[in-house]
Amino acid sequence: DVKVTQSSRYLVKRTGEKVFLECVQDMDHENMFWYRQDPGLGLRLIYFSYDVKMKEKGDIPEGYSVSREKKERFSLILESASTNQTSMYLCASSSQLQGADTEAFFGQGTRLTVV
Amino acid sequence: ELKVEQNPLFLSMQEGKNYTIYCNYSTTSDRLYWYRQDPGKSLESLFVLLSNGAVKQEGRLMASLDTKARLSTLHITAAVHDLSATYFCAPGRGAQKLVFGQGTRLTINP
Repeated sequence: DVKVTQSSRYLVKRTGEKVFLECVQDMDHENMFWYRQDPGLGLRLIYFSYDVKMKEKGDIPEGYSVSREKKERFSLILESASTNQTSMYLCASSSQLQGADTEAFFGQGTRLTVV
Repeated sequence: ELKVEQNPLFLSMQEGKNYTIYCNYSTTSDRLYWYRQDPGKSLESLFVLLSNGAVKQEGRLMASLDTKARLSTLHITAAVHDLSATYFCAPGRGAQKLVFGQGTRLTINP
């Protein structure tokens, strides 16, 4: 089974702290994604990566950065956490192969609260 | 820029009834995904639709794709309480990023 694992289910951080959210996948997927989910807004793409050391901005990259030093790991960084970054963060991965097995597989989510 | 609209956003229905969730998207996509999310949980893949006219069924759920109309539907037949969840559609191009609809929160009442 595809497994996407996020390092924390729940996090509470203070305003101004630097926050790292880690995501690891075990299926050798090329693509990895970070989304945030807020009530009424659905899932919004923050950043994605289609290869090691490659990254592209999604729809809401402001206040975030990412790192992908190894194929299996994709980190989301909040340089200086703010209260408006309180949200559910979802990591996903997918294959670049053409064909049926291309859906994104999601981690369990990290609920981040910034106080 | 790809935009995705689902409707309805909220749906409350009785057990045993049928209903359809619609997913419209704005630019050409060659595939579409449906996901389910239970409260407090992550997203679970339901269907992958890879071509125009594709239809897939799993239990009481059936999904279809019309790429020319840029429309996908998720049909619920004889709803049961266990299907209460939020459903998301996500068109994609190739194997690149997915853009999600706002989600349809489905509540099925006894």
